[in-house]
Amino acid sequence: KAGVTQTPRYLIKTRGQQVTLSCSPISGHRSVSWYQQTPGQGLQFLFEYFSETQRNKGNFPGRFSGRQFSNSRSEMNVSTLELGDSALYLCASSLQPSGRAVGTDTQYFGPGTRLTVL
Amino acid sequence: GEDVEQSLFLSVREGDSSVINCTYTDSSSTYLYWYKQEPGAGLQLLTYIFSNMDMKQDQRLTVLLNKKDKHLSLRIADTQTGDSAIYFCAENGGSQGNLIFGKGTKLSVKP
Repeated sequence: KAGVTQTPRYLIKTRGQQVTLSCSPISGHRSVSWYQQTPGQGLQFLFEYFSETQRNKGNFPGRFSGRQFSNSRSEMNVSTLELGDSALYLCASSLQPSGRAVGTDTQYFGPGTRLTVL
Repeated sequence: GEDVEQSLFLSVREGDSSVINCTYTDSSSTYLYWYKQEPGAGLQLLTYIFSNMDMKQDQRLTVLLNKKDKHLSLRIADTQTGDSAIYFCAENGGSQGNLIFGKGTKLSVKP
């Protein structure tokens, strides 16, 4: 079974631009969560989608948004990019919503998209 | 609040055992996880332990859980150079069901 895929793998943008990242979950998985990874803050939860609905949202400004399509693929968008948005953005998928995704049914991660904001 | 702490670095010699430690604060966590991240890659699930267990062994990996002290450890036996990576401890006690991660322990294995 193919794993979680994320595109693009690398992206360079300038301040003020916007960006869209894509995530295709493992086949059959309906939950997609997004995390931001930076050296200073570590891994921080952005939001989770399940069956096209946002279930949970972390503590990030409204510039960060996402959506999920009927085939469970998800996109996240960051508008008005800031230097501090430079990070590795990781997507994770699971069969169940995160609160019930436990044990071997936990979240499985993609390779990430490395975003650099200049 | 929810918090997971790990030491940032560990260096061992090839063939030795590595022990990576983690402490967490949320006593409602039911599962605790260890993920591995190699350079340029995402997080790979290594193993997990249910909170009513105190030990789990999986080939070279041994997880120990002290629920009273909220302390979790990962022991890697016969550490190899291919084990060099960042290891993340995570618990599922996030207020929104999300995983809470430590900042990761970078394991360096010297030949």
